[in-house]
Amino acid sequence: GQNIDQPTEMTATEGAIVQINCTYQTSGFNGLFWYQQHAGEAPTFLSYNVLDGLEEKGRFSSFLSRSKGYSYLLLKELQMKDSASYLCAVRGGGYKLSFGAGTTVTVRA
Amino acid sequence: GAVVSQHPSWVICKSGTSVKIECRSLDFQATTMFWYRQFPKQSLMLMATSNEGSKATYEQGVEKDKFLINHASLTLSTLTVTSAHPEDSSFYICSARPRLAGFQETQYFGPGTRLLVL
Repeated sequence: GQNIDQPTEMTATEGAIVQINCTYQTSGFNGLFWYQQHAGEAPTFLSYNVLDGLEEKGRFSSFLSRSKGYSYLLLKELQMKDSASYLCAVRGGGYKLSFGAGTTVTVRA
Repeated sequence: GAVVSQHPSWVICKSGTSVKIECRSLDFQATTMFWYRQFPKQSLMLMATSNEGSKATYEQGVEKDKFLINHASLTLSTLTVTSAHPEDSSFYICSARPRLAGFQETQYFGPGTRLLVL
């Protein structure tokens, strides 16, 4: 089975940095994805990690430690448009994704 | 590139009727498509994996006779909710994996279909 945990909610101010943690216990691991989902919309791809370490993409970075079953998504220079739900997803066998419950980030002025 | 569409985006139906939702990959071929369901403030739950030319693989607890999936071509998968009831009201999202996807390539999600059963 898959068990993926992430905080329910986080709040930060515009321009700040927020780190969203994700821990997982899964049967099989073929990579970890982060998605952004605005209310009522489909998820959009943010990042992919399969090896340990940090992947940086502009204001967004994602880190993975396979031995610890841990990842985080780092959002820098927060903007109001970053208010959304952030989903951690683990790919097991057969390219199936198992999603965490999502972390709702609220950015305040 | 890598655009996935869903139709309809919204549907309201009476209890007991059937509803068909289409998922199309517009600019790529997809041998595998996935159907998810998302209830308010909850995460995506995988319902089934749809493989072109073969039967869908359903997740545990998902009734295959209620949620009929057909993947007749490399660009189209359909989900039919048969004899819909109010508890089937949800946000249904499909995703598609390109046929020639590399290992790192993600699934591409459609915009979702919101179903309300009265």
